[in-house]
Amino acid sequence: GAVVSQHPSRVICKSGTSVKIECRSLDFQATTMFWYRQFPKQSLMLMATSNEGSKATYEQGVEKDKFLINHASLTLSTLTVTSAHPEDSSFYICSAALAGGARSEQFFGPGTRLTVL
Amino acid sequence: QKEVEQNSGPLSVPEGAIASLNCTYSDRVSQSFFWYRQYSGKSPELIMSIYSNGDKEDGRFTAQLNKASQYVSLLIRDSQPSDSATYLCAVKGPGGGNKLTFGTGTQLKVEL
Repeated sequence: GAVVSQHPSRVICKSGTSVKIECRSLDFQATTMFWYRQFPKQSLMLMATSNEGSKATYEQGVEKDKFLINHASLTLSTLTVTSAHPEDSSFYICSAALAGGARSEQFFGPGTRLTVL
Repeated sequence: QKEVEQNSGPLSVPEGAIASLNCTYSDRVSQSFFWYRQYSGKSPELIMSIYSNGDKEDGRFTAQLNKASQYVSLLIRDSQPSDSATYLCAVKGPGGGNKLTFGTGTQLKVEL
């Protein structure tokens, strides 16, 4: 399968600071990347869909001004959690799609565990 | 009604047995179906994709799809302790576009 990386893998920050998470597709170009959040013992919840060169599409209930997404190239998308608070502590996972259409497969990065103190 | 439903488990099977994981979905026009494996603390890993009715086999894994019943399953033959994980069923489009809708996952435990 295709390889997707994320950086950092783990971050601990103080309340009120901003945290940037990078997602890269290493061996393919990803027109679309997705950002998910997963709380303990819960399933993945899609936060936003990111298309290269255009604004991200956010899911209902996700604050676009708090979770800033930039997809500047076909291999890199970033998620910035602004003014993070303890309730933002979660496992953030990105995925990248190989191609468009119903049969395109999504491959996940290893995830970033965010802890806000 | 949840869009994608799975029994949360845990499903316990002895080593060497067949594990059967089930998933139902509500969007009748869904086109693509995926099974992901997620180990504790890790991100999901794609195991199988299936698009047409019937069976699709890949090694010890067989995915089964029945669109009329809105049902998709994953069989794991010769289960190994390393198969112990949470298995996520995911469904896509066309109503959701490129987005995947995940079930809550079934925890599988393969016992020695």
